[in-house]
Amino acid sequence: GAVVSQHPSRVICKSGTSVKIECRSLDFQATTMFWYRQFPKQSLMLMATSNEGSKATYEQGVEKDKFLINHASLTLSTLTVTSAHPEDSSFYICSAFISQGQDQPQHFGDGTRLSIL
Amino acid sequence: GENVEQHPSTLSVQEGDSAVIKCTYSDSASNYFPWYKQELGKGPQLIIDIRSNVGEKKDQRIAVTLNKTAKHFSLHITETQPEDSAVYFCAADFGNEKLTFGTGTRLTIIP
Repeated sequence: GAVVSQHPSRVICKSGTSVKIECRSLDFQATTMFWYRQFPKQSLMLMATSNEGSKATYEQGVEKDKFLINHASLTLSTLTVTSAHPEDSSFYICSAFISQGQDQPQHFGDGTRLSIL
Repeated sequence: GENVEQHPSTLSVQEGDSAVIKCTYSDSASNYFPWYKQELGKGPQLIIDIRSNVGEKKDQRIAVTLNKTAKHFSLHITETQPEDSAVYFCAADFGNEKLTFGTGTRLTIIP
């Protein structure tokens, strides 16, 4: 079964709205979670690394004030797209390590499709 | 820099035949190579992975081979079935726990 749960699965909203996406680890603690963005027919691009209890680290070119990440507990990370515009429409996916240690697999949620009108 | 190339971008295979997808990576420091299957509208699902101390790994109809000298790794799916149709991504961890993904291969199994 799913080990990483993402909510909501689909959001359609007006331009200028802020949207919050939740990523939960099920039955395990995740000190680190990752947020990706995927445009249609393209690969996954890492946006940021969410660290429990500390600030997220963002990849080059990703605006931290635009994409707010909060990882306040060991089972929940949230991504808030602030003042969303049509160009922010995309498929947002989170992932987490189930096990600690080197070279462990990341497990992904089922994504959130964000459509900004 | 860290780069992963994946080929082919699309692949059509007759049901029952084998499918092979290849990836090359740029940084020899990479030690971990997972493969993901993504169905339409869903997140990627891990199907198999391999670490640098192993040359080959098999799980039923799926196998992965790794050539560290040549810096390439391949996914092999045998006895393909219609439910194998999906987009497949290779990835590499360049030692910082972050994954760099390939560009994806859309696999279509023809009944």
